Amino acid sequence: EAGVVQSPRYKIIEKKQPVAFWCNPISGHNTLYWYRQNLGQGPELLIRYENEEAVDDSQLPKDRFSAERLKGVDSTLKIQPAELGDSAVYLCASSFKEGDRNGYTFGSGTRLTVV
Amino acid sequence: GQNIDQPTEMTATEGAIVQINCTYQTSGFNGLFWYQQHAGEAPTFLSYNVLDGLEEKGRFSSFLSRSKGYSYLLLKELQMKDSASYLCAVRDRNTNAGKSTFGDGTTLTVKP
Repeated sequence: EAGVVQSPRYKIIEKKQPVAFWCNPISGHNTLYWYRQNLGQGPELLIRYENEEAVDDSQLPKDRFSAERLKGVDSTLKIQPAELGDSAVYLCASSFKEGDRNGYTFGSGTRLTVV
Repeated sequence: GQNIDQPTEMTATEGAIVQINCTYQTSGFNGLFWYQQHAGEAPTFLSYNVLDGLEEKGRFSSFLSRSKGYSYLLLKELQMKDSASYLCAVRDRNTNAGKSTFGDGTTLTVKP
C-alpha cells in the first residue's frame, strides 16, 4: 500500500502568489487532516474532513486558505495569496475514523518556502 | 483548550534507557498518542493510551496517569536510529468533535 501521498514535496514561491497542495489518503480512510508544522513545533490542525464534509475548520485562516475534498477521497489545500509567514511544512494525514486507536498516518509533507 | 508540555531536548547513550515525559491539561481527556518524527520526515505513530497504566511494544513503552495529567514514553536498549523528535498528542472530546492537539516535541539525541 502506498500510504498517504502528498505533492509537491517542496515548493518555493514569491509572496502574494497562489499555491496548492494535493493529498491522496490511504484507501478506506474516511477522515483526512491538514496540519501545518513550523520548525521546532508540533503540527497544528488546519482542517479535518469526515468523508467530504469539513467538520473542523476553526483554525483555517479563511481569508487566504481554502480546502476541498471532492468525492471524499483526494484533497487539495490552497493558499491565495501566500505570505512570508506561511512558510512551513504542510502535512496531510488520514485515519479510518477520528478516535481510531491506531492514530494518524501522515504523508511526507510539502515544505513551502515563501520569499 | 489544552496545554501540553514536553522537554525540548534530551541526550542519551546508545544501549541505555530514556524516559520522555509529557504533561497535559485538558477538560475532556479522550486518549494520548506518541509519535516519532525523524528530521525532515513525517510523524509516525508509536503508541496509544486511554486507560491508566503501561502499554508495552517491543523496546518502546508508554505510561499514562489520567489523574496526574501525565504520560511518559520509555525507550529501552537505545539505538542510534532512535535519534528523532518524539511528539505527545492529546485528544479532547470537548474540542471540535474530539480533535488531537500536539505538543512541540522532544528532540532526542542518542550518542555512541
